[in-house]
Amino acid sequence: EAQVTQNPRYLITVTGKKLTVTCSQNMNHEYMSWYRQDPGLGLRQIYYSMNVEVTDKGDVPEGYKVSRKEKRNFPLILESPSPNQTSLYFCASSFSSGSDTQYFGPGTRLTVL
Amino acid sequence: QKEVEQNSGPLSVPEGAIASLNCTYSDRVSQSFFWYRQYSGKSPELIMSIYSNGDKEDGRFTAQLNKASQYVSLLIRDSQPSDSATYLCAVNMRGGSEKLVFGKGTKLTVNP
Repeated sequence: EAQVTQNPRYLITVTGKKLTVTCSQNMNHEYMSWYRQDPGLGLRQIYYSMNVEVTDKGDVPEGYKVSRKEKRNFPLILESPSPNQTSLYFCASSFSSGSDTQYFGPGTRLTVL
Repeated sequence: QKEVEQNSGPLSVPEGAIASLNCTYSDRVSQSFFWYRQYSGKSPELIMSIYSNGDKEDGRFTAQLNKASQYVSLLIRDSQPSDSATYLCAVNMRGGSEKLVFGKGTKLTVNP
């Protein structure tokens, strides 16, 4: 089944404790991205990747890191999480560019205390 | 600032009625337009994409695009309670990189 997977689905952590949210797709997509969704603010892009080893900032990159060492994986790293990073996070992938149909993972609900 | 605007709603319609969802966008050169449906706490799922002016129909859903007016809409005919969700409009924007910009969504409730 073609899909985007994320883990964990739910995470409660404390301020400053490094965490990684994994994202994997099995559709051989070139483009992958991370979004956060907050009430009243909609979906905002954090980082994106056009291909392996090619990443760039989206609209709200502060406090986040990413890497793309393999085509299928695009982990999101919060090195020192803060309460304002409490949000619903989605990984998405598309065939070749950010303008293509985006296929979303199931989401990760993160709470930072 | 390149933007996608939607009425936040909530929009409430009775079962069997037509629900009309609207979206405007700021980038005149946008070429790709998408409607996503998102149930509460779930991920967005694609309903329709449209690239040319006019109407595109898929079952009970019709997307309408007017590039001159920078306007895209989604009509849901014979609305069902299962259509109750938030509908997100997404438009490709060109700048430093091409990406989809999402509207904040319109919450639709279909009342039995």
